[in-house]
Amino acid sequence: RKEVEQDPGPFNVPEGATVAFNCTYSNSASQSFFWYRQDCRKEPKLLMSVYSSGNEDGRFTAQLNRASQYISLLIRDSKLSDSATYLCVAPLASSYKLIFGSGTRLLVRP
Amino acid sequence: DAGITQSPRHKVTETGTPVTLRCHQTENHRYMYWYRQDPGHGLRLIHYSYGVKDTDKGEVSDGYSVSRSKTEDFLLTLESATSSQTSVYFCAIKREAGYEQYFGPGTRLTVT
Repeated sequence: RKEVEQDPGPFNVPEGATVAFNCTYSNSASQSFFWYRQDCRKEPKLLMSVYSSGNEDGRFTAQLNRASQYISLLIRDSKLSDSATYLCVAPLASSYKLIFGSGTRLLVRP
Repeated sequence: DAGITQSPRHKVTETGTPVTLRCHQTENHRYMYWYRQDPGHGLRLIHYSYGVKDTDKGEVSDGYSVSRSKTEDFLLTLESATSSQTSVYFCAIKREAGYEQYFGPGTRLTVT
């Protein structure tokens, strides 16, 4: 089993829709998680950090379910500019190294 | 903006030639990382550094070496480039607190 797994998508949604991505992780000792956004041919950029049960920032909500070992990212009122690949990330236990999921691609259509 | 630059941004080289990629940061961070990103594999750690002259291997370090003689520069060297090293290479830094990493703009390397 991969340490961090994501549905690759693509998720194709209309503007204004609500969309959710799930990510599962294998290391139950992980305490913090991150969502990065990556645009085509660009570097990954930090979208949200999740240190406890969840985090909310405007239209974006991240939730952590430790019992089931998954993290979700909810995007409300999708915008065309939300089209990107979203990477789920967890730290490797007892280190400052990160494990990246392969990403979920989101396409928001007019 | 974490003040990270990478050079060159694009490079085409021939199999068997040595190649050095440079990552430069302006904020004096101790932790620096080199990743490669390939379709179907996501980001994979090549090497990382936790201070001047302190480096360690990541999951895909074969064929790569690194050096860090100054805090601000982290160099990645392909001693003898192979076609399997065609990839996009990203450098990242970590601030002293937390686990989040911040990425440079990337170097697109093609080995022919």
